[in-house]
Amino acid sequence: GQQLNQSPQSMFIQEGEDVSMNCTSSSIFNTWLWYKQDPGEGPVLLIALYKAGELTSNGRLTAQFGITRKDSFLNISASIPSDVGIYFCAGQIIQGAQKLVFGQGTRLTINP
Amino acid sequence: GAVVSQHPSWVICKSGTSVKIECRSLDFQATTMFWYRQFPKQSLMLMATSNEGSKATYEQGVEKDKFLINHASLTLSTLTVTSAHPEDSSFYICSARDLVEGANTDTQYFGPGTRLTVL
Repeated sequence: GQQLNQSPQSMFIQEGEDVSMNCTSSSIFNTWLWYKQDPGEGPVLLIALYKAGELTSNGRLTAQFGITRKDSFLNISASIPSDVGIYFCAGQIIQGAQKLVFGQGTRLTINP
Repeated sequence: GAVVSQHPSWVICKSGTSVKIECRSLDFQATTMFWYRQFPKQSLMLMATSNEGSKATYEQGVEKDKFLINHASLTLSTLTVTSAHPEDSSFYICSARDLVEGANTDTQYFGPGTRLTVL
């Protein structure tokens, strides 16, 4: 079945540093979604990408939909303590197929 | 943004009992909702797709008679864990699909999750 490879699995950074994580797949996706999950909570949507090559920002977050439709990255600039959590990428194969395929997650830890 | 609620947020039950979890889309209608299960330090695992007015579609390996899903309205889906056992203890999360035809956007919004502990 379809799989998403998300990396890195974990990151330990200093407050104020920039963060970059990415997802790749052998399958083509029509939609990429990036979520953040805090402990004991459900995932919260950060950025949704619908077109190949699309670059979208949400505050300090920037994400891009790879031109091949097989990858996406998420960048966080000037990290702050509340950025701590687990970040998941998710891809949708075909609009209308509905199901999401999730990456393994990137656990972000920030040292103040 | 779109809001999805779940109830209860946590539940503790005895082995052999049944537990019902509700998932509601509060400010949009969702013809499709999804139920996921998440174990500690793991990603989300899709259990089933819940379609309003029709039977749910279960993923391979998920027992449909154990995890009963009902999607009675455009804003409510329920998951019932029947005859629960300790191995059913997990974090159950629902999501609701927000499809905006005119904007050609298709996004899933997640509920806050339900922590189930079976003694």
